[in-house]
Amino acid sequence: NAGVTQTPKFRVLKTGQSMTLLCAQDMNHEYMYWYRQDPGMGLRLIHYSVGEGTTAKGEVPDGYNVSRLKKQNFLLGLESAAPSQTSVYFCASSYAGTPYSYEQYFGPGTRLTVT
Amino acid sequence: KNQVEQSPQSLIILEGKNCTLQCNYTVSPFSNLRWYKQDTGRGPVSLTIMTFSENTKSNRRYTATLDADTKQSSLHITASQLSDSASYICVVSPPGGSQGNLIFGKGTKLSVKP
Repeated sequence: NAGVTQTPKFRVLKTGQSMTLLCAQDMNHEYMYWYRQDPGMGLRLIHYSVGEGTTAKGEVPDGYNVSRLKKQNFLLGLESAAPSQTSVYFCASSYAGTPYSYEQYFGPGTRLTVT
Repeated sequence: KNQVEQSPQSLIILEGKNCTLQCNYTVSPFSNLRWYKQDTGRGPVSLTIMTFSENTKSNRRYTATLDADTKQSSLHITASQLSDSASYICVVSPPGGSQGNLIFGKGTKLSVKP
């Protein structure tokens, strides 16, 4: 049981390049999330999904797109990377249901640098 | 604006000592309040989750308390170990249990020295 995995772990992009971050979970969770974490700031939600084929915007969605074609995978895309997108990106997943089942399980993170 | 404020920003303690981290929030009412531990270079890991009606929740040497009247929560770490060195994040979930709008504090960075 690997939990939540993220690919890649590190990446350096030049401004204007594109890339896709992959998140996979093997816990059969309905909900999945993408966050970014910047120094001195709390985690901020980029996009989330409450089920296969659905996505919704979070707090900071601009410059990102997502897709949830399969229940176990959640992809985060950067179409034209900007230095402001330099950050550590975390994927998380959770069950739906009662308040206690809202616990979110996080992946190990992807450290992205845009030069 | 709903906010979650944590204090102190950072803390250094000696191994074996106890410590208490604070979380003040303005979200009211709320669905639940969580504490996460984040080791350097890793993703956050859940320590406790409390609903608005709970006062305390323990997980091994970690005890979280909640005072809904003063809108404060604390995380008490007993007999600290070197492995407790990490950032501790307080998270509040607004009513309705919506997963799209958790409010994260900036965290308290704890360093446990031998």
